[in-house]
Amino acid sequence: GENVEQHPSTLSVQEGDSAVIKCTYSDSASNYFPWYKQELGKGPQLIIDIRSNVGEKKDQRIAVTLNKTAKHFSLHITETQPEDSAVYFCAASRRDATNKLIFGTGTLLAVQP
Amino acid sequence: EAGVVQSPRYKIIEKKQPVAFWCNPISGHNTLYWYLQNLGQGPELLIRYENEEAVDDSQLPKDRFSAERLKGVDSTLKIQPAELGDSAVYLCASSVDRASGELFFGEGSRLTVL
Repeated sequence: GENVEQHPSTLSVQEGDSAVIKCTYSDSASNYFPWYKQELGKGPQLIIDIRSNVGEKKDQRIAVTLNKTAKHFSLHITETQPEDSAVYFCAASRRDATNKLIFGTGTLLAVQP
Repeated sequence: EAGVVQSPRYKIIEKKQPVAFWCNPISGHNTLYWYLQNLGQGPELLIRYENEEAVDDSQLPKDRFSAERLKGVDSTLKIQPAELGDSAVYLCASSVDRASGELFFGEGSRLTVL
């Protein structure tokens, strides 16, 4: 079945450094790739998404890149701040009748002040 | 605008007891989802509703789990009887419609089965 692998499972960076989280998906028909941030005791919240007709998307300090050929997509956070500390989930889905999101296993990002 | 509201936030029960979770989606959102999140894992879809119709319940363990969405608004998820392995966070989410990419999640209901 569909699968999304996410690495690393934990990531610790110094404030101001960059963080990169990588995901690989198995379903070649996937065409929608969102990233969610989950803070402790909260539900996941969408921070950025990308569709398969775009290779890169940027929103202030966060960016997502997509390599459809390799079935890879990545989240890049620049100038990290302590409030970026959270668990980040990648996901993939087909934008068809099912529109079923398959989530990765999450990355715990810790930004050290 | 109010977000997705779930209750209870926490529930502790003994195995074989029943439990129910309630979700109120964002007003106007036609699509409602129930996800299961085990510790250290990503959310896994249990069931999706389009208005009052369950259109994807393939991952719902129907022997003990049931769900309903009366009048296409609020939804309840029930487990009867609960097992130790059901301990997890149950997340409710809603979206404007199936085609809308963004899911809005509630804060979840954390279940502990003793």
